[in-house]
Amino acid sequence: SQTIHQWPATLVQPVGSPLSLECTVEGTSNPNLYWYRQAAGRGLQLLFYSVGIGQISSEVPQNLSASRPQDRQFILSSKKLLLSDSGFYLCAWADNSPLHFGNGTRLTVT
Amino acid sequence: DAKTTQPTSMDCAEGRAANLPCNHSTISGNEYVYWYRQIHSQGPQYIIHGLKNNETNEMASLIITEDRKSSTLILPHATLRDTAVYYCIVRVYPGNTGKLIFGQGTTLQVKP
Repeated sequence: SQTIHQWPATLVQPVGSPLSLECTVEGTSNPNLYWYRQAAGRGLQLLFYSVGIGQISSEVPQNLSASRPQDRQFILSSKKLLLSDSGFYLCAWADNSPLHFGNGTRLTVT
Repeated sequence: DAKTTQPTSMDCAEGRAANLPCNHSTISGNEYVYWYRQIHSQGPQYIIHGLKNNETNEMASLIITEDRKSSTLILPHATLRDTAVYYCIVRVYPGNTGKLIFGQGTTLQVKP
């Protein structure tokens, strides 16, 4: 069966520090991968999606970037965090199946 | 993608059926109805999806009206663990299924 791993579960980072969140999927090949963000009390916003290695599409302009160095690995990064980057970050995957989410990373920028 | 309309919140007694409505009057012929739920501090969980026929799985039933302009998610015997935000989404399937647009959903409170 397929599983998705996201880490860390929680993270507190100072403004201006870098960020790296990692997501890996097991049990499937060439999945579509996604990064969503959920700000406090708000809905989910799609940030990036990838249909293959090295292929990244950005949905909204922002302070973040994404990379897909391997088929089942998706990384969300920032060079310098802003207070507005705080939120709940969710990785998800799909392979002609309904979207499946990881357990998320709660990021607090202080 | 078609827009959906859901009530902001609903209550349900434990053990009773929870019926969550969703309006999607502008749905296109090739768009499916998906339901997800999000328990506090967790990632959204896929529940069920359908095109025009009613669907049932181990979690819930999905009833879609004949004109497909609305649907109802039914949790047959709600438990306290079903307390969550429930999202109704319409999207072409299979397509790029990850580009789902999540609205505010319905907050379901199951009470003892």
